[in-house]
Amino acid sequence: NAGVMQNPRHLVRRRGQEARLRCSPMKGHSHVYWYRQLPEEGLKFMVYLQKENIIDESGMPKERFSAEFPKEGPSILRIQQVVRGDSAAYFCASSRPNRAITEAFFGQGTRLTVV
Amino acid sequence: EDQVTQSPEALRLQEGESSSLNCSYTVSGLRGLFWYRQDPGKGPEFLFTLYSAGEEKEKERLKATLTKKESFLHITAPKPEDSATYLCAVLGIQGAQKLVFGQGTRLTINP
Repeated sequence: NAGVMQNPRHLVRRRGQEARLRCSPMKGHSHVYWYRQLPEEGLKFMVYLQKENIIDESGMPKERFSAEFPKEGPSILRIQQVVRGDSAAYFCASSRPNRAITEAFFGQGTRLTVV
Repeated sequence: EDQVTQSPEALRLQEGESSSLNCSYTVSGLRGLFWYRQDPGKGPEFLFTLYSAGEEKEKERLKATLTKKESFLHITAPKPEDSATYLCAVLGIQGAQKLVFGQGTRLTINP
């Protein structure tokens, strides 16, 4: 039973480029959560999605960031026109519909470096 | 606003030297307090969930306890493989599905 899969594991982008981070939840999980871990800081909530719905995006920066979780395929976190301050580790977690975040499992993360 | 503070930031122990990590929290109605372990370059690995004051949970050399204001992660006779960053997080009534994490305690066990 594969865990939460995130890819790529490492991503380097130049300032102004777009970054696309993918998250495939565990089998049977339809809830996805994205968190960001800035250097020397704790994990911060970004967005909570269910299939085809954004439930809570209160932690997402207002500009340049977007997330989706289509009916088919992985969840995507998209960062447009990246800046140095976007360099961080981005973690995805998934859970079953009746368990939510109390029984969520995290992926290994995508480490984004903006140069 | 829900807040979590972990102490110490870093802790270095000798193998077999027991100690405790602290997680102090303020939350608008606690729905759950979570402990995770995070190894370098990896994602958080779930350890425990505690739901009410007085609750305790154990797993191998780890034991988590909870009061109304703080949680402790007790490590008994640790081994080098217990070296990791330990993260504490809370889920509050007003937080919907948002975990609020502390900054973690970086634990090093020397052989």
